[in-house]
Amino acid sequence: DQQVKQNSPSLSVQEGRISILNCDYTNSMFDYFLWYKKYPAEGPTFLISISSIKDKNEDGRFTVFLNKSAKHLSLHIVPSQPGDSAVYFCAATSSGGSYIPTFGRGTSLIVHP
Amino acid sequence: EPEVTQTPSHQVTQMGQEVILRCVPISNHLYFYWYRQILGQKVEFLVSFYNNEISEKSEIFDDQFSVERPDGSNFTLKIRSTKLEDSAMYFCASSELRLSNSPLHFGNGTRLTVT
Repeated sequence: DQQVKQNSPSLSVQEGRISILNCDYTNSMFDYFLWYKKYPAEGPTFLISISSIKDKNEDGRFTVFLNKSAKHLSLHIVPSQPGDSAVYFCAATSSGGSYIPTFGRGTSLIVHP
Repeated sequence: EPEVTQTPSHQVTQMGQEVILRCVPISNHLYFYWYRQILGQKVEFLVSFYNNEISEKSEIFDDQFSVERPDGSNFTLKIRSTKLEDSAMYFCASSELRLSNSPLHFGNGTRLTVT
C-alpha cells in the first residue's frame, strides 16, 4: 500500500536547468509534507516542507508546490547544481493521526556539469 | 551541528543469529525512531520510542524485533533471529518534538547483510 508515490525512480538534468521532482499521495489525512535529500552512505537529511494550508514554500533554490485537489506535490530546484545529485524522498504526515512520516521510494537526481 | 550517530556502519551476520544495531540520538531530542530501507525500495517505518516505551510500531516490527534505551544516550534495535529478508539499511532517527512539522534527523545508517 503505497500512500506516498514517487513514480520516477531517476531524473537526469543539465547543470543550470530546472529539476522537477514529483510526488503523489493517496491519504487525504496527510496535511504536512517534507522533502528529504540523501547522499550515498549517509542518512536522509531534511530539505524543505510545506503545510497543507499553503500551496507554495520557497527556500533559496528549492521550491515545493502543493496541489491538494490533485494530491500532488513537486520539488523544484533551480538552477540545478552537480552537488544536488542525490536521492530525494517525499514524505507525508498527518497531524490528526500519526505524526510518523510516510516515505516514498525516492527519486535519484543526477545533475550533469 | 549535533547529529545522530549509528554503529556499526556495516554488519554481516548469519541467518538465525541475533544482531544489535546501536544509535546515539541527538542529546536534547525526546523521540526516537527506527526505519529501514531494503535495496531499491522505500524507506519503511519500524518503530517509534518515547519516554522509555514504544509509542508506535508498524506491522514489520514483529516479535523478532525489540528496542531499548539502556542508558541516557544509546538507543538500540535488536533482531532476535535474523532472516535473509532482514537484509537492509537500518536508519535511526530522532526528533525534538512529536509534531508534523518537526523533521526527523537521521543517522548514516547500518547496512545489515544476512547470509
